[in-house]
Amino acid sequence: VQMTQSPSYLAASPGESVSISCKASKSISNNLAWYQEKPGKANKLLIHSGSTLQSGTPSRFSGSGSGTDFTLTIRSLESEDFAVYYCQQYNEYPDTFGAGTKLELK
Amino acid sequence: EVQLVESGGGLVQPGRSLKLSCLASGFTFSNYGMNWIRQAPGKGLEWVASISSSSSYIYYADTVKGRFTISRDNAKNTLYLQMTSLRSEDTALYYCARLRDYWGQGVMVTVSS
Repeated sequence: VQMTQSPSYLAASPGESVSISCKASKSISNNLAWYQEKPGKANKLLIHSGSTLQSGTPSRFSGSGSGTDFTLTIRSLESEDFAVYYCQQYNEYPDTFGAGTKLELK
Repeated sequence: EVQLVESGGGLVQPGRSLKLSCLASGFTFSNYGMNWIRQAPGKGLEWVASISSSSSYIYYADTVKGRFTISRDNAKNTLYLQMTSLRSEDTALYYCARLRDYWGQGVMVTVSS
């Protein structure tokens, strides 16, 4: 399953809201996860099952979608949110990842 | 606190072998499936292999099938990745992950002459 993630880069300011899209080449039901990558830290699972927040994920993060189209939305950006975000499908092997979205400070 | 610490990486010549380890702590290791995932320099994430909690089910990416072997020792809380016939394209940061919810910080493998 190919995962097409967009945009590749996103510049925003604290307090703004942003959305990242992830499209699957075939239906993956809701078997999609979103991760945050920051330098020097382990990748962090934010959302699984398309829209379920992992324990400890701030409520400003939300996930939506099912089938082939998914969206990660971050409301009221905080400084700690500037990072790289990846989607991953785990509906069938091999698990596949989107190419990533780098969220930068404007 | 869940911790996953990878080790065993380094510089290796093409065609040689290397074995990675991932020491788990903070959870009951024998209850969870585990994954190896890698990221080549400047590239995205690539799933490499998965193993179920009791080693009954094992899956590999086509790019490593026949060359890499995933295994685990539940008594030692350790996950392994035996890599043979290494190629330059195997150069990457290798992560172990508990299913999908916790990742280690990764260990670098460089395949070069």
